[in-house]
Amino acid sequence: QKEVEQNSGPLSVPEGAIASLNCTYSDRGSQSFFWYRQYSGKSPELIMSIYSNGDKEDGRFTAQLNKASQYVSLLIRDSQPSDSATYLCAVNQGGKLIFGQGTELSVKP
Amino acid sequence: DTGVSQNPRHKITKRGQNVTFRCDPISEHNRLYWYRQTLGQGPEFLTYFQNEAQLEKSRLLSDRFSAERPKGSFSTLEIQRTEQGDSAMYLCASSRRDSNTEAFFGQGTRLTVV
Repeated sequence: QKEVEQNSGPLSVPEGAIASLNCTYSDRGSQSFFWYRQYSGKSPELIMSIYSNGDKEDGRFTAQLNKASQYVSLLIRDSQPSDSATYLCAVNQGGKLIFGQGTELSVKP
Repeated sequence: DTGVSQNPRHKITKRGQNVTFRCDPISEHNRLYWYRQTLGQGPEFLTYFQNEAQLEKSRLLSDRFSAERPKGSFSTLEIQRTEQGDSAMYLCASSRRDSNTEAFFGQGTRLTVV
């Protein structure tokens, strides 16, 4: 079992729709969770962090955390073509970030 | 620019040569991380530092790889006797110790071994 798992996609959604990205992790001791966005050929950019169970909203982005189920998700409302990128889930394990393989999102105009 | 800076941005080298990359973290950040990323994969952890101390090195990391952070500021990653399988994007990130490891990445160094 991988430490952090994501569906690789691609996930395709129409412009204006909600995109839902999911991530599971194996280490029950993990306390910090992050979502990064990575455009092709660029480095990862931090977009959300979440530390407590429940939802955290920032603009069009909502991160959801369920530690009992070891599950993190990212919702993108009113998806735009500029949101087309790979979204990386990262989990803090022992002071370092462990990444999933990323989910490729494509938003169609 | 106060972000993480990596140099060079691109490096092409012949198999068997040694290469060295540099990372300058955000100035107030005392943690520094190195990752490697290949196409279609997430970043793979290599090693990280708290100030000048190397706290962890990936067990998967060959002994051809070495990293230093001599004064707790910039860091270097050296790959000796490069192989074609070392071709990847090498990413550096930094964070504060007390911010739940919210880490910020540099632009990366793309290594091509021919």
